[in-house]
Amino acid sequence: KQEVTQIPAALSVPEGENLVLNCSFTDSAIYNLQWFRQDPGKGLTSLLLIQSSQREQTSGRLNASLDKSSGRSTLYIAASQPGDSATYLCAVRRSGGSNYKLTFGKGTLLTVNP
Amino acid sequence: EADIYQTPRYLVIGTGKKITLECSQTMGHDKMYWYQQDPGMELHLIHYSYGVNSTEKGDLSSESTVSRIRTEHFPLTLESARPSHTSQYLCASGNRGQTNEKLFFGSGTQLSVL
Repeated sequence: KQEVTQIPAALSVPEGENLVLNCSFTDSAIYNLQWFRQDPGKGLTSLLLIQSSQREQTSGRLNASLDKSSGRSTLYIAASQPGDSATYLCAVRRSGGSNYKLTFGKGTLLTVNP
Repeated sequence: EADIYQTPRYLVIGTGKKITLECSQTMGHDKMYWYQQDPGMELHLIHYSYGVNSTEKGDLSSESTVSRIRTEHFPLTLESARPSHTSQYLCASGNRGQTNEKLFFGSGTQLSVL
């Protein structure tokens, strides 16, 4: 059974800092990994999607890496801003079998202080 | 900006009532999903659909039912709500094929059953 763990559970940083959020998964047989952002009481917004054959994806100040063999992904946020404050979730899609399913982590609650 | 809508945003009802949570998307996506999320916890898949007249139960056992009569519409129904159904319900739709499917989420319905 796939399990996704995100560390830390919460992170508070001053504005302007670079930061890294971590995601680990137990089963490396995945199609892709996706990072989402969730604002309080809202749905999820997809940030980056990394295919299993890729090592990283970049979008603006965000960079996500994937090491499938070790079951790890990181989300790097450069020059953090108060508007980045949200919960960040990672999710993996398994390959083979019931590959409709995304397995989510519990998320990292990020607070960027002005 | 994703075009997927959920209504109502908030719903407070008494035990035993029948309710329907609405979800509509205008992106023409074949795949649609319902997730349940409790505060600080992972999203759990409760229903999904690959197209019209196709619905399946997800991992998390749920007393709710869904229907998919039209591509754009995927409502979720609880015949008799109970306090244990109190949660946030998130609807999502997906584009493209399985290997690079990106999910788009609605803003969610926060359900409270008294």
